[in-house]
Amino acid sequence: LAKTTQPISMDSYEGQEVNITCSHNNIATNDYITWYQQFPSQGPRFIIQGYKTKVTNEVASLFIPADRKSSTLSLPRVSLSDTAVYYCLVGERNQGGKLIFGQGTELSVKP
Amino acid sequence: NAGVTQTPKFQVLKTGQSMTLQCAQDMNHEYMSWYRQDPGMGLRLIHYSVGAGITDQGEVPNGYNVSRSTTEDFPLRLLSAAPSQTSVYFCVSARDPNQPQHFGDGTRLSIL
Repeated sequence: LAKTTQPISMDSYEGQEVNITCSHNNIATNDYITWYQQFPSQGPRFIIQGYKTKVTNEVASLFIPADRKSSTLSLPRVSLSDTAVYYCLVGERNQGGKLIFGQGTELSVKP
Repeated sequence: NAGVTQTPKFQVLKTGQSMTLQCAQDMNHEYMSWYRQDPGMGLRLIHYSVGAGITDQGEVPNGYNVSRSTTEDFPLRLLSAAPSQTSVYFCVSARDPNQPQHFGDGTRLSIL
């Protein structure tokens, strides 16, 4: 299983760029990397997904190096509403669908 | 398009009672799963299914049963509720495990 490792928590201030890195050393060839955001009392929601290099959408960017053993979620100019837990998930195509979430990173954005 | 619908939203049970948490999706997704999330903790996989008639165990399957008789529905059964099963339960669906996962709003279950 491609276990993921993230920092437990991060602090930031409004307007800053936040980069959260996830380590997934034994990622399989066909696996995608997906990031989710979870607010208190809600289910996680999809932010962004990528396979290699860089992916950008209206919310975030995802940077994946050539060896794919890590990935970095970049949130530009965060606001208080970005305070949430962020999970990195690696697709387990070769494990029959057993998706194991890591601990997640609790991001706290301060004014 | 309702997405993933979980019922009930809240439930209080007594130790030893059984119940079924319902989950339905209208996106024709083959892949479905159940997670539990204890207060202040991460998500733990209970059971999952890659299609109708196929289920498998996740990280914490003990005390739970599932079945997948249709593509749309994936109910989770608690056989004999225990206080340790007090948690928020999320049902999830996706086209396949590598695609974005769609989470329901959760069922908040308290067992006394």
